[in-house]
Amino acid sequence: QQQVKQSPQSLIVQKGGISIINCAYENTAFDYFPWYQQFPGKGPALLIAIRPDVSEKKEGRFTISFNKSAKQFSLHIMDSQPGDSATYFCAASPADRGSTLGRLYFGRGTQLTVWP
Amino acid sequence: DAGITQSPRHKVTETGTPVTLRCHQTENHRYMYWYRQDPGHGLRLIHYSYGVKDTDKGEVSDGYSVSRSKTEDFLLTLESATSSQTSVYFCAISAGQGSVQPQHFGDGTRLSIL
Repeated sequence: QQQVKQSPQSLIVQKGGISIINCAYENTAFDYFPWYQQFPGKGPALLIAIRPDVSEKKEGRFTISFNKSAKQFSLHIMDSQPGDSATYFCAASPADRGSTLGRLYFGRGTQLTVWP
Repeated sequence: DAGITQSPRHKVTETGTPVTLRCHQTENHRYMYWYRQDPGHGLRLIHYSYGVKDTDKGEVSDGYSVSRSKTEDFLLTLESATSSQTSVYFCAISAGQGSVQPQHFGDGTRLSIL
């Protein structure tokens, strides 16, 4: 059973537009929610992350919105640029401080294309 | 960039042969992970390690084994490779001290099993 569900699978946005990717989870033990960006031929790179004690986190053009009661979180890319074209993964990690510390459960990814 | 080196970067082999992938880190991080990435499945955890000689299974561990005899090296072995194990394999590392620390990924090994 997939722990984190991500949508859409692919997204096409015009330059300057807003890209929105959504994720949902069921496990209330999750307490760390990162987003990763991946370019072809490269490994995923951490983009931005949030904990459930805040509802929003912004870093430059990237914003995570978090809705704890709905168990949903989303990535917003403002003023999308062609250089943002990549695959984006959401993930979640449980609060367990034992051997599973830091274990991530990933969504299936969203391929973003930004047209110039 | 986090000091993670995966080797080899590309490998083609035949069904039934053993294959070992290596992940080497220079960050002295405690936690190391092996994932596989397949179209439509995202990243799935194979095995992970929380210290030297301490390993545990992930969600897709069947057909894979791992070893960690030194902090810096984490090996993934396919004892008898099958075509279903054709994939891109990523290693990740994390400091894992106190609260959750970010995972940093290597650039992957593309493995084709014919």
